[in-house]
Amino acid sequence: SQTIHQWPATLVQPVGSPLSLECTVEGTSNPNLYWYRQAAGRGLQLLFYSIGIDQISSEVPQNLSASRPQDRQFILSSKKLLLSDSGFYLCAWGDRTLVHTFGSGTRLTVV
Amino acid sequence: EDQVTQSPEALRLQEGESSSLNCSYTVSGLRGLFWYRQDPGKGPEFLFTLYSAGEEKEKERLKATLTKKESFLHITAPKPEDSATYLCAVPNQAGTALIFGKGTTLSVSS
Repeated sequence: SQTIHQWPATLVQPVGSPLSLECTVEGTSNPNLYWYRQAAGRGLQLLFYSIGIDQISSEVPQNLSASRPQDRQFILSSKKLLLSDSGFYLCAWGDRTLVHTFGSGTRLTVV
Repeated sequence: EDQVTQSPEALRLQEGESSSLNCSYTVSGLRGLFWYRQDPGKGPEFLFTLYSAGEEKEKERLKATLTKKESFLHITAPKPEDSATYLCAVPNQAGTALIFGKGTTLSVSS
């Protein structure tokens, strides 16, 4: 069966510090991978999606970036965090039906 | 312009008091409408996908229906464990990801 792992669960980082969130999927090949952010009072906002290695699309211009070093690994990064980067970050994988399976999320607080 | 709008934002029910949540969408050529349940501090959990007007799907006390402009999530005789935020979503124009509504937070008290 397919499983998705996302870590860390919570993170408190100072403004200007770097960020690296990691997500891995098991039990499936060549999944579509996604990073969403959920902020208070807002819905899930798509940040990045990837339909294959070296194929990453950015939906919202900001100081975040994503990489996919392996087929089932998706990393969200930032060189310098802003206060506005605080939120609940969710990784998901999906197939061609677009049904998403989400990870457990990372609560990021930038202070 | 919001493409997915959910109402109400919050709903409080007594145990056993049935009700419905609404999800309206403005995308053309719908290629699926998705319902998810999200518990506090957790990732959303998939419930249903509906593809055509008139389609219905059920799971325990939940039934999702779809028209050409909106979807309803009917909750029959809810229990406290049904308390959660319910999200609906539709595919983006490219068909590569989902556009989510802001959700309806349901609270069921005993």
